[in-house]
Amino acid sequence: QQPVQSPQAVILREGEDAVINCSSSKALYSVHWYRQKHGEAPVFLMILLKGGEQKGHDKISASFNEKKQQSSLYLTASQLSYSGTYFCGTGGLAGTASKLTFGTGTRLQVTL
Amino acid sequence: DAGVTQSPTHLIKTRGQQVTLRCSPKSGHDTVSWYQQALGQGPQFIFQYYEEEERQRGNFPDRFSGHQFPNYSSELNVNALLLGDSALYLCASSRQGPYAYEQYFGPGTRLTVT
Repeated sequence: QQPVQSPQAVILREGEDAVINCSSSKALYSVHWYRQKHGEAPVFLMILLKGGEQKGHDKISASFNEKKQQSSLYLTASQLSYSGTYFCGTGGLAGTASKLTFGTGTRLQVTL
Repeated sequence: DAGVTQSPTHLIKTRGQQVTLRCSPKSGHDTVSWYQQALGQGPQFIFQYYEEEERQRGNFPDRFSGHQFPNYSSELNVNALLLGDSALYLCASSRQGPYAYEQYFGPGTRLTVT
């Protein structure tokens, strides 16, 4: 089942903060976050593993609530370059990028 | 260091035809995954190849098949094309081991079926 992301879209002014949520109906062992700019390929941001380990981007933070089967991505002091569509991916056998199921996506637009 | 490359960039086919898409993984990567991304949707996992074998498969019919070559490059074949197969097809590469969680996507092949 596809993870559900919220909000579907958000518009920020540069410097503002945003939170993107990802909820799954299945037990989560890892959550992967990607950003895709218009007309470009998705780019890996980070992975959160069961147990609290986090790997990836050092300027973007995220949380992983295993009991609630949710993850949240925190974008602080947003920059114009943060604009794009954010996808969470779940599955990822044993923390790998194998057989990911991507969420519905959140479109983020950062303006001046 | 070349990233993931895909060819062709765009392709237009007719219903019922067959198509082959190609992917070269990032240098040092040995695992290739294919995804289908419909407009406005997230990528959907088709299958993954490692050591020239299909290791994982998503919920796609047998019309979708693939191959991985000894140099780790890969092909995606789709037979009996349907209008619904129109999408962006993304290839992603990764490597086995401690960084297996990180995959790099190619620019994609835009397939239009008329």
